[in-house]
Amino acid sequence: GAGVSQSPSNKVTEKGKDVELRCDPISGHTALYWYRQSLGQGLEFLIYFQGNSAPDKSGLPSDRFSAERTGGSVSTLTIQRTQQEDSAVYLCASSLEGLAGQETQYFGPGTRLLVL
Amino acid sequence: GQNIDQPTEMTATEGAIVQINCTYQTSGFNGLFWYQQHAGEAPTFLSYNVLDGLEEKGRFSSFLSRSKGYSYLLLKELQMKDSASYLCAVRDRTDSWGKLQFGAGTQVVVTP
Repeated sequence: GAGVSQSPSNKVTEKGKDVELRCDPISGHTALYWYRQSLGQGLEFLIYFQGNSAPDKSGLPSDRFSAERTGGSVSTLTIQRTQQEDSAVYLCASSLEGLAGQETQYFGPGTRLLVL
Repeated sequence: GQNIDQPTEMTATEGAIVQINCTYQTSGFNGLFWYQQHAGEAPTFLSYNVLDGLEEKGRFSSFLSRSKGYSYLLLKELQMKDSASYLCAVRDRTDSWGKLQFGAGTQVVVTP
């Protein structure tokens, strides 16, 4: 596709329910990132996938959060037993991966999650 | 980890210049990025600095001093459409290649 796409664009759920957020990166991009942005805050790194390497999960806030990337393309972020503090915009980004280090991360429009 | 500090908000007049400062602390600096984010939209890339000095891109310039742990983003000839949040992000050598730490962002308000 032309850019990073995410679905759903908005999600309202009840506390305790599980949610799945989907990200389709730009075709050919080998790196994929998930961030979380709470109201008025900067981006909080969650997880980073690069090719077949083990993902960097160091930003996941608890074991209720997990993410997968299938076939080196689409990624799903799953939040189990959602809590009200999980309410935020979840942003996905993708990039080429090279040696220069300046590869631009292209962001999707985000999924706005509201946990009631 | 990193501590990234930038002002919360700045106001400037259309046509003027605004400088957004960002200070950071890292275990091993490995690159600094600036992103622009309009309200309700995704961040978009503005600039990247890894060596000391000034990088110029049209109306926007970004400066880096690694010894001082300091960067600034300079916006010249401000336009109303420049009203947005500007995010400073740093890569630390001790982290994975893809992990960026973002500051909270600086909200720039451009007035007529």
